[in-house]
Amino acid sequence: GAVVSQHPSRVICKSGTSVKIECRSLDFQATTMFWYRQFPKQSLMLMATSNEGSKATYEQGVEKDKFLINHASLTLSTLTVTSAHPEDSSFYICSARDVVTYEQYFGPGTRLTVT
Amino acid sequence: RKEVEQDPGPFNVPEGATVAFNCTYSNSASQSFFWYRQDCRKEPKLLMSVYSSGNEDGRFTAQLNRASQYISLLIRDSKLSDSATYLCVVMGGGSYIPTFGRGTSLIVHP
Repeated sequence: GAVVSQHPSRVICKSGTSVKIECRSLDFQATTMFWYRQFPKQSLMLMATSNEGSKATYEQGVEKDKFLINHASLTLSTLTVTSAHPEDSSFYICSARDVVTYEQYFGPGTRLTVT
Repeated sequence: RKEVEQDPGPFNVPEGATVAFNCTYSNSASQSFFWYRQDCRKEPKLLMSVYSSGNEDGRFTAQLNRASQYISLLIRDSKLSDSATYLCVVMGGGSYIPTFGRGTSLIVHP
């Protein structure tokens, strides 16, 4: 299947700092990518839909100024967690949607720990 | 009513058993359906798409029942390695944003 990479896989940062997470589709183009957050033993929660060349669409309750999304090319979307707090500690997963089949392929996830 | 509902389980079955999961969806206009598998602390991986005519991949069979608005996943001859959480995903109906179920936990024991 298609491959999606995510970097970094794990990051520990101090409260108040910002963290950038990259999501890349390696062998296909993705006009749409999705960012999810998953807390332990809970389901994936969609945070935002990232569309290449346009502003991201955020789900209700997700602060757009705190979670900055940039989808500058057909293979790259970034999520920046600004002024991180301990409650932002979570597993962040991106996915890229194949434009033909609509199947989604997930990145391996980034485990963020804010101390 | 939630958009996509799954029995969280866990389904605890012996090796070799056949087990089936259902997933119901509320939006009758939904168009695309998928089953994903997620192992503990890992990302979800696509298991199979669900087509109107149903589809089979080895020990796994997925079916769609539009009239009753559910999809199913059947696993035959369960293996220990099948232990995971199975997520159903529904998309379409005016929006191409995927909606995930909470997942069904499967534990296959010796």
